[in-house]
Amino acid sequence: EPEVTQTPSHQVTQMGQEVILRCVPISNHLYFYWYRQILGQKVEFLVSFYNNEISEKSEIFDDQFSVERPDGSNFTLKIRSTKLEDSAMYFCASRLIAGGLRKGTDTQYFGPGTRLTVL
Amino acid sequence: DQQVKQNSPSLSVQEGRISILNCDYTNSMFDYFLWYKKYPAEGPTFLISISSIKDKNEDGRFTVFLNKSAKHLSLHIVPSQPGDSAVYFCAASVRSGGSNYKLTFGKGTLLTVNP
Repeated sequence: EPEVTQTPSHQVTQMGQEVILRCVPISNHLYFYWYRQILGQKVEFLVSFYNNEISEKSEIFDDQFSVERPDGSNFTLKIRSTKLEDSAMYFCASRLIAGGLRKGTDTQYFGPGTRLTVL
Repeated sequence: DQQVKQNSPSLSVQEGRISILNCDYTNSMFDYFLWYKKYPAEGPTFLISISSIKDKNEDGRFTVFLNKSAKHLSLHIVPSQPGDSAVYFCAASVRSGGSNYKLTFGKGTLLTVNP
């Protein structure tokens, strides 16, 4: 069964450093998302991406964050200058199409996550 | 801003019995609801969903009930199995009006099924 993959599984970085988290969404999916979960807190929406542009972003997704789909398969989240409070699990998700009533098209499928630790 | 609430942080049931996980929401714009299961060190795994035009959706041992007037949904697992032990997240989204379908999650309920 196709699945979303993420690399690395764990990233440790120093405060102020740049990190890039990578995701390979399910191949025929068109909508992509990043979420994060700070330890002990809810899973929170960061950004959605469709047709090579950001379609929505949350207040968390400030100028330090950016997303990119550099080729036909990868979807990346970059944090330019990491802060201690960026430490969290980051989940990538993808969805088949932008709306519609066919079964499964409304469901987001998640990757295993990248644990980011900022020291 | 708790638009989706799961008020029970944990639930313990015996194998073979019914597990009922509850979720409340406050945003009346939500029209699509999902349940995800999450094991430690893994991402959320989709379980079952329900549209606001329905009040029940069933898939094998899993049934989701939606009470729109009460803004409440529940997940029933019958019979419960030890392998069901995980954190269960309720999530909601807005499908109408060209939404991006971003998910709003509850805090999760840790289900433990005892053999």
